[in-house]
Formats: sequence, structure tokens, C-alpha cells
Amino acid sequence: GENVEQHPSTLSVQEGDSAVIKCTYSDSASNYFPWYKQELGKRPQLIIDIRSNVGEKKDQRIAVTLNKTAKHFSLHITETQPEDSAVYFCAPRGSQGNLIFGKGTKLSVKP
Amino acid sequence: DTAVSQTPKYLVTQMGNDKSIKCEQNLGHDTMYWYKQDSKKFLKIMFSYNNKELIINETVPNRFSPKSPDKAHLNLHINSLELGDSAVYFCASSRWVGQGNNSPLHFGNGTRLTVT
Repeated sequence: GENVEQHPSTLSVQEGDSAVIKCTYSDSASNYFPWYKQELGKRPQLIIDIRSNVGEKKDQRIAVTLNKTAKHFSLHITETQPEDSAVYFCAPRGSQGNLIFGKGTKLSVKP
Repeated sequence: DTAVSQTPKYLVTQMGNDKSIKCEQNLGHDTMYWYKQDSKKFLKIMFSYNNKELIINETVPNRFSPKSPDKAHLNLHINSLELGDSAVYFCASSRWVGQGNNSPLHFGNGTRLTVT
């Protein structure tokens, strides 16, 4: 089955700095790569996703880059704000169609 | 107007009891899921159903039995609850992901189950 590794497990940045979270996966057939944000006590919510036919996608301060050859994709957040503090999950789609979640990265943005 | 709604939000019960969690989605999706999130925040799939048919059944004890009366509902019944069942259970839905479709998951707000 799909093996998903996410790094780092915790990340602390100053407000205004950039944050990068990396996700590696094992299933070369994966073709859908989303990132979810989960605030404390809330449900995971999709923040950005990328299909395998593109290498990068941006949405304001958030971007995702994909390297299919190396089987990894990364979440980039620029100009971080305190409200970006949350747990972020990568979740590449497995061969059975379900999302396989990484173990999460707890991002803390200090004002 | 919640797209994926699950009830109850909190469930506190004693070991050995039987309990159910209900989930309904109004997004017109064909596929529904149950995920378990433990105290370390790991999110693991338990089951998925497509149009009332079981698609995924991960290594979950037989005490857990999902039921999908129609494609808008996926309920979870748990027998003989154990301490280790304490977790947050999330229901989710998506469009059918077969044939290369890529559809994001929409999660419910979760049910926090505490077994004492």
C-alpha cells in the first residue's frame, strides 16, 4: 500500500516568514495530491490540491509543487500570519481511491 | 447549511456499551468514508462506500459495522466499546474517484468518542 511521510512534524516560524512542508509518497500511480489544514478542534479542510499533470499551483499565499519523478510534493506558505497556525496534512490518493494522510505538521506562527 | 453533518458531536460512554454515529451529506456525492483520528492526530481510513456498496474495509475490528441505507448516509455502529476506541471519528464524502476522477474530500465536524 501507499506509504506517506511528511516532514517536519513541527514547524515554528515568525510572522511574515515562509513555511515549507514536504510530503513523500511511495505509490507511483498516485495522481492527486491535496493538502488539508486542521485548526484545533475543527475538521480538516482542503486548502490546495494539484493533479499529476502540473508541477506547481498557486493560490494567493499558498502554493504546492509536485515532483512526480522523486515522488514528493511540498506546501509553501509565504508571509505567514498567526491564523495560519494549525496542523497541515498531505494526503495523496491511493490505488483504491481513498486519501492516505501523512502524520501531520504542526505549524506555529509567532507574532 | 452543513454539507456533511454527523451526530452526535460528543459521545461519552462506558466500556462494553454499543453506540452509533450518524452521517449525512447533501452534496450529491456517491462516495462516503469514515476516518479515525487518534490522540496523536493520525487520520486513518476505516471504511469507504460508493453508492451504498463497501469499497474499502481497512483492518478494523468486527465490532465496527458501517451501514449505508442510501448514498447520502453512512452510519457507524460500534459494539462492545473499548478504551482504545476513544478518538475523533470523521465522516467524509466525495464524488466517485474511479476512472481517474480526482475529487477532494469534504469532512464532517467530527464525533469525539470517549470510552470510560
